[in-house]
Amino acid sequence: EPEVTQTPSHQVTQMGQEVILRCVPISNHLYFYWYRQILGQKVEFLVSFYNNEISEKSEIFDDQFSVERPDGSNFTLKIRSTKLEDSAMYFCASSSLNTDTQYFGPGTRLTVL
Amino acid sequence: RKEVEQDPGPFNVPEGATVAFNCTYSNSASQSFFWYRQDCRKEPKLLMSVYSSGNEDGRFTAQLNRASQYISLLIRDSKLSDSATYLCVVHRVPSASKLTFGTGTRLQVTL
Repeated sequence: EPEVTQTPSHQVTQMGQEVILRCVPISNHLYFYWYRQILGQKVEFLVSFYNNEISEKSEIFDDQFSVERPDGSNFTLKIRSTKLEDSAMYFCASSSLNTDTQYFGPGTRLTVL
Repeated sequence: RKEVEQDPGPFNVPEGATVAFNCTYSNSASQSFFWYRQDCRKEPKLLMSVYSSGNEDGRFTAQLNRASQYISLLIRDSKLSDSATYLCVVHRVPSASKLTFGTGTRLQVTL
C-alpha cells in the first residue's frame, strides 16, 4: 500500500539554525500539507500546497517557514531560524484531491535546544 | 469557542465494553467529518469518515448531527488494541483545504 514517507525521523538542532524537513508524498497525489503537533497538544495545520504554490496557510506559518517541491517526488518544509517553541512533531500529508482523505506520514520529531 | 471540541478523557474501560465519544464543532460551514486514531507518538490514521446517515465499520459506528453540530463515535466490544487517542476532525472543503483537529479523546482498554 502506498504511503507518505518522511525524513529524518528525529532532528535535533540549536536555536537559530535552519532545518529542512523532507517528505515524499504518495506518488499520484496532487495536494500536499504540513501539520505540526506540540507535545501534549492537538494537531495544527501549517500549510497546503497545490500546483507548485501555497493554497492556504495558517497564522503559525510566518516568514520563518517556507515550502518547496524541488523535484517530482520531494516536498520540503524549511524553518529558517528555529526557536525553542518550534519543537514539535511535524507531519506531512497528501491527498489526490483537496476533497479527499489526507494520508499522513510518520512525522519528524524536531527538538530545538 | 474552540472549532472542534472533545472530552480529553481518559476513558478507562474493560475489554468487551461499549464506549462512546462525542465531539462538537463550531463552524456550520464544515462539510466533511472524520474520526482519526492516533497512537502514542505516531501519525494520525483515518479510522472512518462520518456521514449524516450514520455509518458503521465492524465494531465502529459514527454519527453526524448537522443541526446540533455534533459528531459521535461508538466502539463496541472494545479490544486492548483499541487503546489510543481518537481525534475528531472537520474539513471545510471547498473553501479551505486544511483539516481542523480536536484535542482528542484518550481511550485505555484494560483486561
